[in-house]
Amino acid sequence: DGGITQSPKYLFRKEGQNVTLSCEQNLNHDAMYWYRQDPGQGLRLIYYSQIVNDFQKGDIAEGYSVSREKKESFPLTVTSAQKNPTAFYLCASSIGTGLSGANVLTFGAGSRLTVL
Amino acid sequence: RKEVEQDPGPFNVPEGATVAFNCTYSNSASQSFFWYRQDCRKEPKLLMSVYSSGNEDGRFTAQLNRASQYISLLIRDSKLSDSATYLCVVTPTDSWGKLQFGAGTQVVVTP
Repeated sequence: DGGITQSPKYLFRKEGQNVTLSCEQNLNHDAMYWYRQDPGQGLRLIYYSQIVNDFQKGDIAEGYSVSREKKESFPLTVTSAQKNPTAFYLCASSIGTGLSGANVLTFGAGSRLTVL
Repeated sequence: RKEVEQDPGPFNVPEGATVAFNCTYSNSASQSFFWYRQDCRKEPKLLMSVYSSGNEDGRFTAQLNRASQYISLLIRDSKLSDSATYLCVVTPTDSWGKLQFGAGTQVVVTP
């Protein structure tokens, strides 16, 4: 079955450490996204990518970095510059071709990061 | 002011009853509208797209009111399994990848 796999599901990090969250999809989707969710808040966009080797900053990109070397993969690095990294991180993908339904999102199961 | 606003609830609904709630958006150029369902500590999943003419999927009915800039979701004959948080999602015309999420409306269906 096609889908999005995020790993790890739970991650604990010490302050000052970088951590990379994995996101892999086998849906053949062009567009991929990273969101952050905090309690009581809507999802906030960190980065998104419409095609391989191209990505754009979202609303809260500071302290994060991404790469899109392969269509299937869109890893997110949470750097030590991110002031409040404890959150639920969600990766998503969409067809992304501009056709009807192109931005209907399919989400991974999420990665819950806790900074100790 | 938030781009997309929702009543956080919770809406406590007896099983079998009908519940409805709205989502308002600030960008009049918004193009696409969706309702997603999110269970506690899980990922959001698409419930339904919202079309200009309104649309229905089983017990769920979605409406779009462009003049007043809101979308609505109505759930008929509520089931215990409908308990979840319902997220409103809006796509602005001028920012294709930047979907805007509401913080969600919590629905609790009670026996």
